[in-house]
Amino acid sequence: RKEVEQDPGPFNVPEGATVAFNCTYSNSASQSFFWYRQDCRKEPKLLMSVYSSGNEDGRFTAQLNRASQYISLLIRDSKLSDSATYLCVVNINAGNMLTFGGGTRLMVKP
Amino acid sequence: NAGVMQNPRHLVRRRGQEARLRCSPMKGHSHVYWYRQLPEEGLKFMVYLQKENIIDESGMPKERFSAEFPKEGPSILRIQQVVRGDSAAYFCASSPLSGALHEKLFFGSGTQLSVL
Repeated sequence: RKEVEQDPGPFNVPEGATVAFNCTYSNSASQSFFWYRQDCRKEPKLLMSVYSSGNEDGRFTAQLNRASQYISLLIRDSKLSDSATYLCVVNINAGNMLTFGGGTRLMVKP
Repeated sequence: NAGVMQNPRHLVRRRGQEARLRCSPMKGHSHVYWYRQLPEEGLKFMVYLQKENIIDESGMPKERFSAEFPKEGPSILRIQQVVRGDSAAYFCASSPLSGALHEKLFFGSGTQLSVL
């Protein structure tokens, strides 16, 4: 089983739609969780951290379920510019090594 | 304040040659990480370095690959006797903090290595 697992997609949605991605992780000792965004093989950029209580940043909402070992990302009112690959990232120990999921590709259509 | 600088952006090598990839972290950052991304795959951790120290190299292939982060100058990822399977995007990231205080990594634009 992969340490961090994501549905690769692609998710094809129309503009304005709401879309959700899930990600599961295998190590219950994982401490920190993030969503990164990657465009067209460019460098990954931090989208948001994921906190135990859940957190929201504009149209983006992230949630963590420690009992079931998954995190989610909800995007409301999708824009064309949201088209990208979304990477689920887990920091398993205090040693800074981030473990990346394979990414979920989102394509927002006009 | 320049970000993480990687060079070259693109590197073409023939099988058997050496590849040297450079990474200068953000000013004030003393922690450097190297990740590799194969086509259609996610990023895979390779190595974590601080100045003059390799902290974690659990993701580095046992042969042909080495990394350093000297007291002066950029971090270098060196691949000897490259093979076609080494073709990938190599991303460097830096962080000012370590351990439980770690919050985010700042990534460079990557080096795309193509082995002919």
